[in-house]
Amino acid sequence: SYELTQPPSVSVSPGQTATITCFGDKLGDKYACWYQQKPGQSPVEVIYQDDKRPSGIPERFSGSTSGNTATLSISGTQPMDEADYYCQAWDSHTWVFGGGTKLTVL
Amino acid sequence: EVQLVESGGGLVQPGGSLRLSCAASGFTFRTYWMTWVRQAPGKGLEWVAKINEDGGGNYYVDSVKGRFTISRDNTKNSLYLQMNSLRVDDTAVYYCARNHYGYNSVDYWGLGTLVTVSP
Repeated sequence: SYELTQPPSVSVSPGQTATITCFGDKLGDKYACWYQQKPGQSPVEVIYQDDKRPSGIPERFSGSTSGNTATLSISGTQPMDEADYYCQAWDSHTWVFGGGTKLTVL
Repeated sequence: EVQLVESGGGLVQPGGSLRLSCAASGFTFRTYWMTWVRQAPGKGLEWVAKINEDGGGNYYVDSVKGRFTISRDNTKNSLYLQMNSLRVDDTAVYYCARNHYGYNSVDYWGLGTLVTVSP
């Protein structure tokens, strides 16, 4: 079955750029999306179809995909961006989530 | 305003059954694919199942095939998940989710309903 691999944790200083990666076989041939989940809350879509940002999501969130890796970047990271982030892709009508990355802003 | 409200969660013994419901409002339900996603306590997200607009196409994660059935009633703007032969590892918060129109992602999530499978 298809798998997506994310680093368990990423740390960033406020105002810096956070980069979260998601690795999957031939991920560049599929479309990846990203969700943000804060403790006790439902997930929120922050990027879809590799690099598109839903309405209401700040411009500091951006996505890209190349080769086997999808990347979520958060420029000018703010304390409110501290959360778990999940990548997701689809393969043969099934969806797969990455294991999630805990972003710490310190 | 899009709203997805799950119900039907609770405590059940291994081998038992539960039926989750999701009441949708604020959008034209019959034109959207819908999805169930679950999250075990302290764990990550896991896609469970999805269903197409008219209910004629449905897909499942391997671990629930043959035990869970996703369905919908477009006259009632409702999504369902019938869960049979429940196992301890099915314990999770189950989220009802609307597929982002035209894309393989979710643009709206419910608050979730907790299913606990325990002896």
